[in-house]
Amino acid sequence: DAMVIQNPRYQVTQFGKPVTLSCSQTLNHNVMYWYQQKSSQAPKLLFHYYDKDFNNEADTPDNFQSRRPNTSFCFLDIRSPGLGDAAMYLCATSRVAGTTKNIQYFGAGTRLSVL
Amino acid sequence: GENVEQHPSTLSVQEGDSAVIKCTYSDSASNYFPWYKQELGKRPQLIIDIRSNVGEKKDQRIAVTLNKTAKHFSLHITETQPEDSAVYFCAATGSGGSYIPTFGRGTSLIVHP
Repeated sequence: DAMVIQNPRYQVTQFGKPVTLSCSQTLNHNVMYWYQQKSSQAPKLLFHYYDKDFNNEADTPDNFQSRRPNTSFCFLDIRSPGLGDAAMYLCATSRVAGTTKNIQYFGAGTRLSVL
Repeated sequence: GENVEQHPSTLSVQEGDSAVIKCTYSDSASNYFPWYKQELGKRPQLIIDIRSNVGEKKDQRIAVTLNKTAKHFSLHITETQPEDSAVYFCAATGSGGSYIPTFGRGTSLIVHP
């Protein structure tokens, strides 16, 4: 059973047309992450939420924003997609508490194409 | 911050052979080291992990070893099968008290039948 669900699985957008990717989780994890993964590369962290606290990576473009309206849902907004933003976008969750090891659970990803 | 190097980038073996993937990390404070397997077009999934208070962990055909002094850890797969073909990522967590993993660049393992 999918525990981290991403929608849609495939998204095609036009250059400059805003797009929103969604992620939901049934694990009640307190941390949610958004990664960008390009072909044959490691996932690149864009930002993450620790509970309601938003944490942006220093090199994440301003074009990327995120919302977490509640524990279960997190959204990735790309305001003006460029050709270079075409990639797989992975959502992940984890429970971070004290010394508990941080196991991340990934969604199946949304593959974004920009025309 | 933490830096994780992973080698090799590509590994090709015959079915039944063993495969070894190695990672080094830079921060001795890192204390948790997961390995993820990502099949083509699918999500990364945790296959094995190790904490810094353990030197070796085994799960059937998969094992991970950790050398804290040398700051390196390795994934060992024995009796490889074609379904082991995937990209494998190592990661290190705990540097500076951070829970955010630093990933290696990945190793593409190809198991030839």
